[in-house]
Amino acid sequence: KAGVTQTPRYLIKTRGQQVTLSCSPISGHRSVSWYQQTPGQGLQFLFEYFSETQRNKGNFPGRFSGRQFSNSRSEMNVSTLELGDSALYLCASRSSPANTGELFFGEGSRLTVL
Amino acid sequence: DAKTTQPTSMDCAEGRAANLPCNHSTISGNEYVYWYRQIHSQGPQYIIHGLKNNETNEMASLIITEDRKSSTLILPHATLRDTAVYYCIVRGYNNDMRFGAGTRLTVKP
Repeated sequence: KAGVTQTPRYLIKTRGQQVTLSCSPISGHRSVSWYQQTPGQGLQFLFEYFSETQRNKGNFPGRFSGRQFSNSRSEMNVSTLELGDSALYLCASRSSPANTGELFFGEGSRLTVL
Repeated sequence: DAKTTQPTSMDCAEGRAANLPCNHSTISGNEYVYWYRQIHSQGPQYIIHGLKNNETNEMASLIITEDRKSSTLILPHATLRDTAVYYCIVRGYNNDMRFGAGTRLTVKP
């Protein structure tokens, strides 16, 4: 079955703009998590959505937001972009947060802010 | 945020076993230990996970100490393609998965 799909794979924005990234989880998975990865900070947890509800959030400012749709697809939005937002944004899915199985990751969306 | 500590980097000779340690001294009784790896700029890849007992799959073995305060990931016959950053994660009380800095394993010919 298809894996986690993230779009777009690469994008370039300028400071002050906003960006929306999309994630389609593995079929049947209802939990979607987002991570930001930068060389200096490593892989940092942004938030997790399950059944259209945000159930957990990392230590990021309110400029970072997300949502999940009824088909489990998720989007994350970053408003008022800053240079430091340049990163690889990774999405991961699992069947549910309570499931002890693995997280499946997508290949990421690489955002460059100029 | 991460509840684990790992060495920053390790080297291993090709064909030899790679043993990657992880300390998780504050782990709770019902928290699982997971291992992932990330090859340059790709999404992290699941390797193995366990609760109390040692686990083995086609990729690796996971040895968890009896007090569960540490674990070791073993790649039995490391290849050059195993060069990656390896993350040890303890699933949090609310089931979230928070990654630490990981160990950069370099397999050398």
